[in-house]
Amino acid sequence: DADVTQTPRNRITKTGKRIMLECSQTKGHDRMYWYRQDPGLGLRLIYYSFDVKDINKGEISDGYSVSRQAQAKFSLSLESAIPNQTALYFCATSDPSGGYNEQFFGPGTRLTVL
Amino acid sequence: SQKIEQNSEALNIQEGKTATLTCNYTNYSPAYLQWYRQDPGRGPVFLLLIRENEKEKRKERLKVTFDTTLKQSLFHITASQPADSATYLCAIYSMDTGRRALTFGSGTRLQVQP
Repeated sequence: DADVTQTPRNRITKTGKRIMLECSQTKGHDRMYWYRQDPGLGLRLIYYSFDVKDINKGEISDGYSVSRQAQAKFSLSLESAIPNQTALYFCATSDPSGGYNEQFFGPGTRLTVL
Repeated sequence: SQKIEQNSEALNIQEGKTATLTCNYTNYSPAYLQWYRQDPGRGPVFLLLIRENEKEKRKERLKVTFDTTLKQSLFHITASQPADSATYLCAIYSMDTGRRALTFGSGTRLQVQP
């Protein structure tokens, strides 16, 4: 089983709809992240969380909200989706205790807002 | 402003040659820099980390250098193989951003021809 899972994997929705993307992990990591990826722009950080009581804005948090329901679950919501939120969304986890703080990414959710 | 620049043009090389990818940054004081590999439609995968006080790191056919004077990291793949074809992302961790998280470059696509 994958260590970091994302649901759904693909979603097509309409402008103005509320959308939730979910991320679950079995790695036991405290730190979780949400990124979006657009062609030519690389990965941009939306929100990150270092534990269930610690939520931080990233570079591009406007129009998004998050919920850290448990150590293993981190959800991203688009309250009212707009077409320029069409992108590939990735969840990631990390554990700095090993010294590398490498990030482990999920498979991604491809979101299309019409 | 802060920038991380990777060559947006694809790098095409012949099998067996050494591929060299560049990551330049502006207005960061990185504590460390990481390199990731990303295959189409998949999440990035961590490859190497190099810290601010390190000049070079190696892992099998991979080598990373870090020059904080030039504000540049080079990523080398020796004896390249078609299976090395992917997009390679650099990422910086720096407290200059005000965030306790990585900032990614937009990546360079490597194509290794058989």
